Amino acid sequence: DSGVTQTPKHLITATGQRVTLRCSPRSGDLSVYWYQQSLDQGLQFLIQYYNGEERAKGNILERFSAQQFPDLHSELNLSSLELGDSALYFCASSAQGAANTEAFFGQGTRLTVV
Amino acid sequence: AQSVTQLGSHVSVSEGALVLLRCNYSSSVPPYLFWYVQYPNQGLQLLLKYTSAATLVKGINGFEAEFKKSETSFHLTKPSAHMSDAAEYFCAVSGTGANNLFFGTGTRLTVIP
Repeated sequence: DSGVTQTPKHLITATGQRVTLRCSPRSGDLSVYWYQQSLDQGLQFLIQYYNGEERAKGNILERFSAQQFPDLHSELNLSSLELGDSALYFCASSAQGAANTEAFFGQGTRLTVV
Repeated sequence: AQSVTQLGSHVSVSEGALVLLRCNYSSSVPPYLFWYVQYPNQGLQLLLKYTSAATLVKGINGFEAEFKKSETSFHLTKPSAHMSDAAEYFCAVSGTGANNLFFGTGTRLTVIP
């Protein structure tokens, strides 16, 4: 158990809909990362938050947004969903968000868009 | 910009044989390098990391990797494969200017009894 909790584990929704994925980082970790894992794109970095502030942005679509709340949990919002958004979405957390520190991954949320 | 290339999307070894998973990196800044393992239906778990200290890095479960700057490589090895090593392995890089990880495409390791 990494200590990172993601909910829900599975999500099935229709095209055009909006969903919210939730992540609770390890206790004391200030930095949260979101990654998308799909068969065609592999593991791609989406966005990072550190202590409530956006720190880095990767290949995140404009239809996607995220935030980190004062209690440090984070949510990833995916809207106007398309079939191609079906993927495994991982949240990871690290203590300070430094490049040389270990990131602990949750078990992921599997999103299926039908 | 940072990136990693993993050679071989599938590797099969016999139980007890040497495991060698290849990773080459590209980085414009001194890299930090990581190997993660993903078991079916689970998240990623860190095996080991290189952060500019010793070039030979030992990790969990008997794995180790050697950072070779001249070859821009960070290959993962284990002297003797166990059935429990069957999983997908990801090499990743981050740099001093970026906190996030850039992952390779992964190598699926199969261990044959």
